[in-house]
Amino acid sequence: SQTIHQWPATLVQPVGSPLSLECTVEGTSNPNLYWYRQAAGRGLQLLFYSVGIGQISSEVPQNLSASRPQDRQFILSSKKLLLSDSGFYLCAWSLGQGNTFGSGTRLTVV
Amino acid sequence: GQQLNQSPQSMFIQEGEDVSMNCTSSSIFNTWLWYKQDPGEGPVLLIALYKAGELTSNGRLTAQFGITRKDSFLNISASIPSDVGIYFCAGLPHAGGTSYGKLTFGQGTILTVHP
Repeated sequence: SQTIHQWPATLVQPVGSPLSLECTVEGTSNPNLYWYRQAAGRGLQLLFYSVGIGQISSEVPQNLSASRPQDRQFILSSKKLLLSDSGFYLCAWSLGQGNTFGSGTRLTVV
Repeated sequence: GQQLNQSPQSMFIQEGEDVSMNCTSSSIFNTWLWYKQDPGEGPVLLIALYKAGELTSNGRLTAQFGITRKDSFLNISASIPSDVGIYFCAGLPHAGGTSYGKLTFGQGTILTVHP
């Protein structure tokens, strides 16, 4: 069966520091991968999606970047965090239908 | 871009009551999905609907794919305290193809159940 792992679960980082969140999927090949941000426990905003290794599409202009160095690995990064980057970050995978989500990372930028 | 209007935004009910929430769109979707999110967790898929008019149940949950393909509803019968959470509708505009599985989400319904 397929599983998705996302870490860390929580992170507190100072403004201006770098960020790296990692997501890995097991039990499937060539999935579509997604990074979402959720503010204040409400709507999900799609940040990036990837349909293959090295293929990244950005949905919104922002201070973040994403990379997919391996088929089942998706990384969310920033060189310098802003206060506005705080939020709940969710990784998800799909083979074309519904997204399956990881357990999320709560990022607080202080 | 496409948007989903989900209502109500929040609900406060007594244990044992039935719950109904819905999503509408100005665009057609080929797939409707309903998710539940517990605090501090990622959303979990409850029900997936793939055909207009389809009515699907999952335990005490029932969801329908509207005939016009522009709306869907979710009902929860005989609510219990563990039903608490945020419920999201989501739509997929195409069956695969250039949509790349990108979902459009509603803004969520926060459900509170009082014992």
